[in-house]
Amino acid sequence: GAVVSQHPSRVICKSGTSVKIECRSLDFQATTMFWYRQFPKQSLMLMATSNEGSKATYEQGVEKDKFLINHASLTLSTLTVTSAHPEDSSFYICSASGLAGGLVNEQFFGPGTRLTVL
Amino acid sequence: GQNIDQPTEMTATEGAIVQINCTYQTSGFNGLFWYQQHAGEAPTFLSYNVLDGLEEKGRFSSFLSRSKGYSYLLLKELQMKDSASYLCAVSADNYGQNFVFGPGTRLSVLP
Repeated sequence: GAVVSQHPSRVICKSGTSVKIECRSLDFQATTMFWYRQFPKQSLMLMATSNEGSKATYEQGVEKDKFLINHASLTLSTLTVTSAHPEDSSFYICSASGLAGGLVNEQFFGPGTRLTVL
Repeated sequence: GQNIDQPTEMTATEGAIVQINCTYQTSGFNGLFWYQQHAGEAPTFLSYNVLDGLEEKGRFSSFLSRSKGYSYLLLKELQMKDSASYLCAVSADNYGQNFVFGPGTRLSVLP
């Protein structure tokens, strides 16, 4: 099946610093990538949707200046958490859909990134 | 608005059968997915329904009734490793891309 990787898997940073998370589709071209956030014992909450070469579409309540998303190629999207604070600590998961040979609307999930802000 | 409902927690015994229900009210419908998620890991795909009826896949089956806005995931011959969260997700927009996730059901399988 289609494989999506995320890097790093875990990151601990100090309050006020910025953190970049990469999401890559390894064996298919991802025309659309999604970024989710998941707090403990809760479900996935969509943060934004990005299409290659265009600006991301953010969900209501998600600050686009704080969560910068870049989808520069068909295999790479990045999420940068700027000026991170402890309340940004969460599990961030990306997913990708596109020319993967599966269901046309299927999303393939990365392994997630655990962010802890001290 | 978009709303998906699932029971928060369920408990079942090893070897038994369990049914996890999902009800949804969404502005559009382009299919319903079930995912399994172990703690600290990404969701993994279990099943997909877009037409009414039952889809069977080994120990897992999923049912859909579009007129009732209802789906269930059936797990047979439960194993300890089936202890996980089960997420119901509806592909809700016209392009079939954006998912709306339910709150997830935490299943505990006891020996």
